[in-house]
Amino acid sequence: EAQVTQNPRYLITVTGKKLTVTCSQNMNHEYMSWYRQDPGLGLRQIYYSMNVEVTDKGDVPEGYKVSRKEKRNFPLILESPSPNQTSLYFCASRRLNTEAFFGQGTRLTVV
Amino acid sequence: RKEVEQDPGPFNVPEGATVAFNCTYSNSASQSFFWYRQDCRKEPKLLMSVYSSGNEDGRFTAQLNRASQYISLLIRDSKLSDSATYLCVVFLSGSARQLTFGSGTQLTVLP
Repeated sequence: EAQVTQNPRYLITVTGKKLTVTCSQNMNHEYMSWYRQDPGLGLRQIYYSMNVEVTDKGDVPEGYKVSRKEKRNFPLILESPSPNQTSLYFCASRRLNTEAFFGQGTRLTVV
Repeated sequence: RKEVEQDPGPFNVPEGATVAFNCTYSNSASQSFFWYRQDCRKEPKLLMSVYSSGNEDGRFTAQLNRASQYISLLIRDSKLSDSATYLCVVFLSGSARQLTFGSGTQLTVLP
């Protein structure tokens, strides 16, 4: 089954404790991206990657890192999480010039 | 001005009603357009692509007006299960980030 898989689905952590949210897709898509969604602000892009070893900042990259060592995986890293990073996070993948497929989301709470 | 703007609603309509959403985009070079549906705190899922000639899928009709730079979604004979947030998505070829999301229009269909 074609899918984008994120883990974990829910995470509560403390300020400053490094965490990684994994994202994997099995559709051989070139393009992957991370979004955060907050009430009233919609989906905002954090980082995106156009292929292996090619990543770039989106609209709200501060406080986040990503890597794309393999085509299927695109982890999101929070080196020192802060409460303002409490949000709902989505990973998405697609071929260039086509619609995006989303993971099920990760609800992160930083206390 | 936001790149993609939608009326956030909420739209509360009775079952069986016809409801229409509009979405405007600012970049005239935008090339592809989509409507996504998002249920509460779940991942967005593609509802339909929007073609220049307009397209229909059952009770759903999407239209594109390039001259006025807006797209629309019409839902006929609303069902309770149509209650969701509808996201307008615009694709711009040559833009590094490519996909831009509206903040969504909330629809509630009432019994």
